[in-house]
Amino acid sequence: DQQVKQNSPSLSVQEGRISILNCDYTNSMFDYFLWYKKYPAEGPTFLISISSIKDKNEDGRFTVFLNKSAKHLSLHIVPSQPGDSAVYFCAASASGANNLFFGTGTRLTVIP
Amino acid sequence: EPEVTQTPSHQVTQMGQEVILRCVPISNHLYFYWYRQILGQKVEFLVSFYNNEISEKSEIFDDQFSVERPDGSNFTLKIRSTKLEDSAMYFCASTTNGLAGETQYFGPGTRLLVL
Repeated sequence: DQQVKQNSPSLSVQEGRISILNCDYTNSMFDYFLWYKKYPAEGPTFLISISSIKDKNEDGRFTVFLNKSAKHLSLHIVPSQPGDSAVYFCAASASGANNLFFGTGTRLTVIP
Repeated sequence: EPEVTQTPSHQVTQMGQEVILRCVPISNHLYFYWYRQILGQKVEFLVSFYNNEISEKSEIFDDQFSVERPDGSNFTLKIRSTKLEDSAMYFCASTTNGLAGETQYFGPGTRLLVL
């Protein structure tokens, strides 16, 4: 069951540069997409979300882009900071359901 | 800031034993969830719970699992007879209204190790 995929298990970026994390999905019923950040020994922490009626949502340094036709979304972090180093999970849900489907995560390392 | 709490943080048990994982959701939230993450794998949905009933469950959530809200604050996950493959991080989450796309707030997790 790979309804949400994050094909890059890891990403390293220099501090101050842009981090781009990618996510693909297969279920066309997904209407909502969320990004969570996870530090070791902690639960996932919500970062930003987007609904399928939008193609972009921005919150400070974080922007999520959604391309419905390609079933692809991405999270941009700019500028990247060392404190952003964590595992980032993409998650999706469908209207009428409230359970989340998670990707396998991308470990981001921001190098000072 | 309100947060979801979980106890214990770690639990080691023998195969075949029963375990109860506990969660205290955010106080004004009405929907509660359990997820698990097997080491190296993705976070997987187990069950959602509203108004003292299961509202959705995954195929993972078989007869060995049960959930309960025994009082006004706790939300528990019971595994009746643990198996080796139940070893995982178990996360509790809660939301206000349970709407699709609504932010789910996660607890820090319980690491369960079945020997």
